[in-house]
Amino acid sequence: SAVISQKPSRDICQRGTSLTIQCQVDSQVTMMFWYRQQPGQSLTLIATANQGSEATYESGFVIDKFPISRPNLTFSTLTVSNMSPEDSSIYLCSVGQGRNQPQHFGDGTRLSIL
Amino acid sequence: GQQLNQSPQSMFIQEGEDVSMNCTSSSIFNTWLWYKQDPGEGPVLLIALYKAGELTSNGRLTAQFGITRKDSFLNISASIPSDVGIYFCAGPWGSTGTASKLTFGTGTRLQVTL
Repeated sequence: SAVISQKPSRDICQRGTSLTIQCQVDSQVTMMFWYRQQPGQSLTLIATANQGSEATYESGFVIDKFPISRPNLTFSTLTVSNMSPEDSSIYLCSVGQGRNQPQHFGDGTRLSIL
Repeated sequence: GQQLNQSPQSMFIQEGEDVSMNCTSSSIFNTWLWYKQDPGEGPVLLIALYKAGELTSNGRLTAQFGITRKDSFLNISASIPSDVGIYFCAGPWGSTGTASKLTFGTGTRLQVTL
């Protein structure tokens, strides 16, 4: 399966600032996804990162707060904008293999906002 | 997305014991996935199930795709300390492009006492 690298692995940020998380895959993949995992919780899908077009966001997530880029088939970024303590979470990217198939995940970015 | 409920929420077991956990949904899934998440890491795929009634093993792990397609079960035999972690079920839904989105269960936290 694809090797997925996320940067940074963790960060501590001040409220009101923004942070961009990078996700690099070692092979070309069609579909990439971004998830949020709040402390002690399960994973929730934020959006699907579409190559060459705007990301598709799930209910409760908006582009102004979580802008996503997908410039090519091996790379995507997620920005967490105007951060507040409620944004303290693990943010994970994943790649999809096909319909009704598993996804494979990076190790996540652990974000704490003070 | 659909809600997946896992039971139990957490469990302590003695090393060497067998473990059973389950995942239920109000909706039908055509695929059931089981992931394990270790501290500081992303979820790792353990087992994928594609057919109702299917029973699949991966070493000491055995998972079953419920006959109603609304549930799945994971068993771990002869638990060892490295089985510690959070186990998530997941189901693909709502195909987007060439891959499906995933909805995750609430998680079962497994802790092993020596």
